[in-house]
Amino acid sequence: AQKVTQAQTEISVVEKEDVTLDCVYETRDTTYYLFWYKQPPSGELVFLIRRNSFDEQNEISGRYSWNFQKSTSSFNFTITASQVVDSAVYFCALSVVNAGNMLTFGGGTRLMVKP
Amino acid sequence: GAGVSQSPSNKVTEKGKDVELRCDPISGHTALYWYRQSLGQGLEFLIYFQGNSAPDKSGLPSDRFSAERTGGSVSTLTIQRTQQEDSAVYLCASSPDSWNTEAFFGQGTRLTVV
Repeated sequence: AQKVTQAQTEISVVEKEDVTLDCVYETRDTTYYLFWYKQPPSGELVFLIRRNSFDEQNEISGRYSWNFQKSTSSFNFTITASQVVDSAVYFCALSVVNAGNMLTFGGGTRLMVKP
Repeated sequence: GAGVSQSPSNKVTEKGKDVELRCDPISGHTALYWYRQSLGQGLEFLIYFQGNSAPDKSGLPSDRFSAERTGGSVSTLTIQRTQQEDSAVYLCASSPDSWNTEAFFGQGTRLTVV
């Protein structure tokens, strides 16, 4: 069985601060995918990134960056110079190759960026 | 539009009534998923359709829940004899295939059972 843990239920920062959202996962499968989704107040889940288990290269996309470390089963997400529009709930998720594409989600981290 | 469309956006029903929730996936997407988002349980997988294969129903919480996908496109999630614990946001997602590609989510149906 798969499990995703996001220990931080809520984070509050002031605009322009950097913030890191933690994600720890558990799976016995060797081939899997990790995802981050953003859920703004409108409710729709917005895809941010997908990373497969064989690619540990970190990725940067604008103010967003992701740190994947298999040794610690973590896939952390950092927002640099946060903005008010970053306020949302962020979900980390895991899927395994042998289980279709269904996602196992973490509990989510609510990020509040104050002006 | 080009995205996943769900209807209704909000539904209030009386305990014991049946409800049907609809999902229109992105055209051409062969995989379709239903998830449920509730305060106590977070985001839970319910059911998965892939092409013409038998659906994976492993996430359905009880036999009051069922879903079908007609013609490989539109899907309907039916909840019979609704209970208050069924109150949640029901999210539908579709993806081009089952190879762990990005899943595109609809805005969900907020179900309230009173």
